[in-house]
Amino acid sequence: SYVLTQPPSVSVAPGKTARITCGGNNIGSKSVHWYQQKPGQAPVLVIYYDSDRPSGIPERFSGSNSGNTATLTISRVEAGDEADYYCQVWDSSSDHLFGGGTKLTVL
Amino acid sequence: EVQLVQSGAEVKKPGESLKISCKGSGYSFTSYWIGWVRQMPGKGLEWMGIIYPGDSDTRYSPSFQGQVTISADKSISTAYLQWSSLKASDTAMYYCARQVWGVVPAASGWFDPWGQGTLVTVSS
Repeated sequence: SYVLTQPPSVSVAPGKTARITCGGNNIGSKSVHWYQQKPGQAPVLVIYYDSDRPSGIPERFSGSNSGNTATLTISRVEAGDEADYYCQVWDSSSDHLFGGGTKLTVL
Repeated sequence: EVQLVQSGAEVKKPGESLKISCKGSGYSFTSYWIGWVRQMPGKGLEWMGIIYPGDSDTRYSPSFQGQVTISADKSISTAYLQWSSLKASDTAMYYCARQVWGVVPAASGWFDPWGQGTLVTVSS
């Protein structure tokens, strides 16, 4: 079965750029979606279709997807970006699948 | 405003049954799939299954097939997740979420928005 692999944690200083990866076999052939989950809250969609932003999501959030790795990039990181981030794909054989999640710590 | 509102927290004993709900508003409830996602304490998101309220077509993750039942009542714009016999390992936060479907550039689905979650605690 298909597996999505995320690093358990990423740390970044305020104002710097955070990159959170999501690995999968030929993930570049799939569409990847990203969610932000702050403590005690429900997940929120931040990127869909690899790089599209829903309305209300800051331009600081961007995404890319190629080869075996999809990446969520957060520019000019703020303290309020500290959260867990999950990637997700849909596949015709396995339906929906989430990555294990990455905890973003703002130093 | 598109919104999903879930039923409140539940505390149950092992072996008891339970049905939690998710009410949609602000959109055509019968035109979008509704998914259920489990989050065990301190853990990640797990997709459980999905239902199309328009015709009650339902699909389950193999991990949850036979363990839960997903249903919907389109007359009141509400989806349900139920257990016939709870176990301590069912203790978790459960989220419902509306699946948005796209076909360009490729067929894919994502979840937006999410309900606020229902905490289920199973303990003797």
